[in-house]
Amino acid sequence: KNEVEQSPQNLTAQEGEFITINCSYSVGISALHWLQQHPGGGIVSLFMLSSGKKKHGRLIATINIQEKHSSLHITASHPRDSAVYICAVPNYGGSQGNLIFGKGTKLSVKP
Amino acid sequence: GAGVSQTPSNKVTEKGKYVELRCDPISGHTALYWYRQSLGQGPEFLIYFQGTGAADDSGLPNDRFFAVRPEGSVSTLKIQRTERGDSAVYLCASSRTAGDADTQYFGPGTRLTVL
Repeated sequence: KNEVEQSPQNLTAQEGEFITINCSYSVGISALHWLQQHPGGGIVSLFMLSSGKKKHGRLIATINIQEKHSSLHITASHPRDSAVYICAVPNYGGSQGNLIFGKGTKLSVKP
Repeated sequence: GAGVSQTPSNKVTEKGKYVELRCDPISGHTALYWYRQSLGQGPEFLIYFQGTGAADDSGLPNDRFFAVRPEGSVSTLKIQRTERGDSAVYLCASSRTAGDADTQYFGPGTRLTVL
């Protein structure tokens, strides 16, 4: 069974700062998910990646399969980025059918 | 097009009652997932369907929980003899397939409160 650790649990930043959120897992996987959950509760999938790096706007996700570690970066952070960011991996290392989630990183970006 | 929808958005019930939570996935999505999220925690996997069949139900906490997807589209999560500990937000997601390349799209959730 996979285990997922995220850090930090809480993060407060000033607008414009570069943000890094980390995720590590214990069992080798085929793909890792980064999700965003806004205060209203809605969850949006940001990235699904199995190797290397993906970029979408100001968001960048990287993964190191050998080290079982992924990072989510936000460049030029903005108050609207305030949300909980969650990483998730397949529970048994296989497909995404059964995901195990980290507890999330609560990000607050101050103007 | 329409996203994943869930009904009701809120459900308040009394301990011991039976509840049904409904999920309408995105049209054409063969994979459907149920999760629940307690306050301050990340989502927790319950069950997922590939078509009409439950491909993995290992996350269902006990036999009071049951889910169906009879026609491979809409799914219903059924909870018998509800307990206060069942209070949580129940999330549904769907994806084109359960393959690694397919993004999961989440519904808004049903907030269940058991008094």
